[in-house]
Amino acid sequence: ETGVTQSPTHLIKTRGQQVTLRCSSQSGHNTVSWYQQALGQGPQFIFQYYREEENGRGNFPPRFSGLQFPNYSSELNVNALELDDSALYLCASSLGPTDTQYFGPGTRLTVL
Amino acid sequence: QKEVEQDPGPLSVPEGAIVSLNCTYSNSAFQYFMWYRQYSRKGPELLMYTYSSGNKEDGRFTAQVDKSSKYISLFIRDSQPSDSATYLCAMIPNSGGSNYKLTFGKGTLLTVNP
Repeated sequence: ETGVTQSPTHLIKTRGQQVTLRCSSQSGHNTVSWYQQALGQGPQFIFQYYREEENGRGNFPPRFSGLQFPNYSSELNVNALELDDSALYLCASSLGPTDTQYFGPGTRLTVL
Repeated sequence: QKEVEQDPGPLSVPEGAIVSLNCTYSNSAFQYFMWYRQYSRKGPELLMYTYSSGNKEDGRFTAQVDKSSKYISLFIRDSQPSDSATYLCAMIPNSGGSNYKLTFGKGTLLTVNP
């Protein structure tokens, strides 16, 4: 176990709704990265937060947004959900932005 | 062309077989290479981390990097049913402002049959 936790485990939403996913990083880690993994695909980088600031962003629209809190836990928010947003959402924590990333178990989001 | 190509399989082998998993990449900026194992409905777990060309061994696992050919491999010796999982290769560039972003292959689904 990596010590990275995510909640909820599963979530079902309908198109147009908004969702918030949560991640608690491993003790001592100040960086959280979020990835989207569609079925049968490798994870795709969404963005990274380092010391409460967005440190980099992948090719995802602005309706994907995030936060990092002073305790380095993080949230991923997705607005105006689309069917294609159905995926496993993974967060990974690391000691710093370029250090080894350790993944949590993921949140499986289904959009109907 | 995708930056990282990985044959998704599926790959099915008998227990005790040697397994070879491979990825190719097109971006010469990739300098750090990782292999993750992902069990069904779980997050990826880091198996191996390499930087230089050559071999790195850890127990039954050997990671091989050939930067001149842009080709990486993971070998599993004496494969066990517990090795049944999806294996993902991942890479990070050395610089260029994105040396924090993991780029993954699609993953290869491996089944080891008892």
